[in-house]
Order: sequence, then C-alpha cells, then structure tokens
Amino acid sequence: QKEVEQNSGPLSVPEGAIASLNCTYSDRGSQSFFWYRQYSGKSPELIMFIYSNGDKEDGRFTAQLNKASQYVSLLIRDSQPSDSATYLCAVNPGTYKYIFGTGTRLKVLA
Amino acid sequence: EAQVTQNPRYLITVTGKKLTVTCSQNMNHEYMSWYRQDPGLGLRQIYYSMNVEVTDKGDVPEGYKVSRKEKRNFPLILESPSPNQTSLYFCASMPAHQEKLFFGSGTQLSVL
Repeated sequence: QKEVEQNSGPLSVPEGAIASLNCTYSDRGSQSFFWYRQYSGKSPELIMFIYSNGDKEDGRFTAQLNKASQYVSLLIRDSQPSDSATYLCAVNPGTYKYIFGTGTRLKVLA
Repeated sequence: EAQVTQNPRYLITVTGKKLTVTCSQNMNHEYMSWYRQDPGLGLRQIYYSMNVEVTDKGDVPEGYKVSRKEKRNFPLILESPSPNQTSLYFCASMPAHQEKLFFGSGTQLSVL
C-alpha cells in the first residue's frame, strides 16, 4: 500500500513565525508532489506543487523536496492567523491515483 | 464561474436504499475523481476517470459505482449503502497537462 505520512498536529506557531510542515512518502517512483490547504468545513485547494529536488518558492510559501529521503516539506513564512487550516500533502505515484496524507492541522496564534 | 458542483450537500439515508451523488464541472476538464474523507484516514480515492467512458478504481472502490458518459458529469452511485459509507465525499476535476485538482464543496452522507 503506497502511503503518505504526516504528523496530525496541531502545530501551533505564533503570528509572524515560520511554520514548518513535513510529509514522507513510501513510493520511490512518485513523480509529483503537492500541498493542499483545507479550511474547516471547506474543500481542499492547491497552494503549492513541486516536481524536482530542491526548493520552490511562491510568496510566503516554500515547498522543499528530497527524493532520496522521500521527504516533502512546506514552509510558511510570516505566518498569519488566516493560515490556520489543515495542510494536506499529496503525491502522484505516476498513475494519477493521487494519494493524500491525513493532514497536519496548523494553528497560528495572534 | 468555473466550478465543480456536487449535489446534494447533505444526505441522510437508510441502509440499502440506492442513492446517487451528482458531480458536474464546467471547465472542460478531462480528469475527474471521487474521494471520501474520514477523520484519521484523510482523503482516499474511490474512483477516477481520465476521460469519457474511461474509469478506474482508486484505493477504496468497494460498494461504489461511477460512470462517465459525458465529459462534464461524473456521478457516484451507491447501490446498497451501508453505515460504513457514512463519510464526507468530494468530487474533483483536473485539466490535462496541469496537475491541479479542483474540488467540489463536498457531500456529507450519513447512512443509518
């Protein structure tokens, strides 16, 4: 069974701090990696995707990928209370059967 | 407005009574998929479709059926619902050559 693992949290950070969310995956053949944000009672929305090893930055968000360690992370700089949500890591193992982790709940404290 | 529309938003039914949850997208996306979301288990894929008349099983297809007769519609059918199918269901679509899933608003299903 291909798996994506995340710490469920909650991860609590003060406003303005950097939030670091982590994800590991089991299928070495995985080709694309995603971070979705899901507010309580809402549907997931894509915030970042990454295909290659290294960092990818978009505004306050940075996705990091290390294929050798099968590790994906999301950094949120200058965290805001509006960033409080559940963050879902997702992986495409090459079959378009997107596999999601259980999500990490982030709480940004004002 | 570009969107994925699911209906109904909430549904309470009884064991064994056939039901259909509809999903429609107006973005001309090739790919559509159904997920269920359960506490502690996350989002799990039920079925997906790469295009019209092409469907395939996800990780938890047992007890569900789908069809893709038109590009815009991808209904989820529960022929004989059971209480373990009580869950929050999401439909999603995605254009070809862009790996971004667009999710519907969800259907909260309770099977008594």
